[in-house]
Amino acid sequence: GAVVSQHPSRVICKSGTSVKIECRSLDFQATTMFWYRQFPKQSLMLMATSNEGSKATYEQGVEKDKFLINHASLTLSTLTVTSAHPEDSSFYICSARALGYQETQYFGPGTRLLVL
Amino acid sequence: DAKTTQPNSMESNEEEPVHLPCNHSTISGTDYIHWYRQLPSQGPEYVIHGLTSNVNNRMASLAIAEDRKSSTLILHRATLRDAAVYYCILFGNEKLTFGTGTRLTIIP
Repeated sequence: GAVVSQHPSRVICKSGTSVKIECRSLDFQATTMFWYRQFPKQSLMLMATSNEGSKATYEQGVEKDKFLINHASLTLSTLTVTSAHPEDSSFYICSARALGYQETQYFGPGTRLLVL
Repeated sequence: DAKTTQPNSMESNEEEPVHLPCNHSTISGTDYIHWYRQLPSQGPEYVIHGLTSNVNNRMASLAIAEDRKSSTLILHRATLRDAAVYYCILFGNEKLTFGTGTRLTIIP
């Protein structure tokens, strides 16, 4: 099956710093990538949708200036959490939809962010 | 997006079949029914999806009611590794929206 990787798998940072998370589709081209956030014991919440070469579309309530998304190629999307605060601590998961396979999304393993 | 309703939790004995129900009474004619599962501290894993006909793959089977207002994910022989949260999702509006899912516990 299609593989999506994320890096880093976990990160601890100080409050006020910025953190970048990478999401890569390893064996397929992803026309669309998605970023989700999951708090403990809760379901996944979609943050934003990005198409290669276009600006991301953010869900209601998600600050686009705080969560910067770049989808520069068909295999790479990045999420940068700017000026992170403890309340941004969460499990961030990316997902990619394969070119030509619009019905199926493949998910990365997730990145656990802890902001001290 | 049309919503789905799933039981919060289910238990099953190891090596027995598991039937995970999902109600989606407001499903539209073009909505696909997707199932994903999430093991602890991992990203969701695709299980199966279908539109109208029943579907089988190496992981599971998906039985879709004739009126499409409900579906059932069938794990034919549960193992301890199948313990996870199972999400039934209607694919609409170009994005997958997750509900609370069913937490499946497998009893050895």
